[in-house]
Formats: sequence, C-alpha cells, structure tokens
Amino acid sequence: QITLKESGPILVKPTQTLTLTCSFSGFSLRTRGVGVGWIRQPPGKALEWLALIYWDDDKRYSPSLRSRLTITKDISKNQVVLTMTNMDPVDTATYYCVYRSNYYDSSGTLDYWGQGILVTVSS
Amino acid sequence: SSELTQDPAVSVALGQTVRITCQGDNLRSYYASWYQQKPGQAPVVVIYGKNNRPSGIPDRFSGSSSGSTASLTITGAQAEDEADYYCNSRDTSGNVVFGGGTKLTVL
Repeated sequence: QITLKESGPILVKPTQTLTLTCSFSGFSLRTRGVGVGWIRQPPGKALEWLALIYWDDDKRYSPSLRSRLTITKDISKNQVVLTMTNMDPVDTATYYCVYRSNYYDSSGTLDYWGQGILVTVSS
Repeated sequence: SSELTQDPAVSVALGQTVRITCQGDNLRSYYASWYQQKPGQAPVVVIYGKNNRPSGIPDRFSGSSSGSTASLTITGAQAEDEADYYCNSRDTSGNVVFGGGTKLTVL
C-alpha cells in the first residue's frame, strides 16, 4: 500500500523559506522510473505542478518557479524535501506530495497523492 | 510553454453522458491523465494513459484522444460524480503540466 504524507509549517512569514517534507511508504525511490514530486493548489484555484525528483536524482522544476525551488531526496529515510524561498502571500496553498510510478510513461500520471498540507503565508 | 485548456464548468443531467475536454499541443504526442477532486479531498486518478482505469474506478469513466484534444467521458453520470476534474500530461522535457480544471455539476 502506497502512502505519502506531507509535513512542515502551516504558517510562514513573507520572505521566509518554506521547507516541506514528504514521508512515504510502500515503494522505493531506488526503483527505476519512480519519482516523487509536489503539486500545490491555492484556495479555490487550480492545481499547479512544482517539482519532481526521480530514482536517478534527475530533478524537474516548474519553469515559472524554478529559481525559488529545490527538491532533494533521502532514500534512507524514505523522504523527499521541497524548499521554496522568498515566500509571498500568493504562495498560500495546499501543498500535495505525489508519487509517479513511471518516468517513461506517455502521460505524466501522478499515481498517488498525499492528503495535502495547507500553508498560509502571512505576517 | 506547455499549457492545457479546460472548460471551467460543465453540467449533466443525472444518468446522462458528459464529455469533459482538455486541449493542448502536448496532447499530440502524449496522453492525458484525468483526476477527480471532491471538496476538501486530494485528487484521485480516474483515467491514465490511452484509456486505463485504476482499480476501484467505475467503468462509466473512459478516456479518449484526438489530435490536440483529450476527453474524459462519464457514461451515465451519478450524483457522486459531481466534482472538479483536472487533466494533466507531460512534455518532451519531462515536465508535468495541468489543465485549469472543470467543475462538473450533476443536475
């Protein structure tokens, strides 16, 4: 059974750096093709892809947010960490951790999602 | 840049068939996946690849594609299908892109 769970601060101040951790089970990030990533959703708005990291340490970032994002993995802990710098109130959103089973697939499917964590940016 | 376009809202009478579409140049080369999101919940995959349903997804959900347009069809919509639906795909760089979502109302 694959599960993912997000953790981190629920309130950050403008200009601060956000650090979110995804703790997962039921699969290994050593497995060829596997990736873990982050999606966010501002209240009442659409989903937005942020970043993905794959088994071979290949990292992909949203072009519009690339300069602010860093994604890393700790295979020994079954965790993936996302940092986002210079937070702004417009970054207020639910942040989801996602599992991608096959880098080589033809559709970009995000197979499993965590429950999400609502992060509010406010002074 | 990669973009996927969806109609903001669609409605369907209970028991009827509805098609939700997703347009984008990526879809000429890649399939779309479809996600259902109910209020307060995380999205769930309902269709992926050419036309594949994960275990537990009713067979009234199906997917298709033609040119730059992918479609999610619900045949015999049920009240519990009322939700937001998002398409996503990938591009040649391995990036992921989402559509803006479609709010489905079952009348």
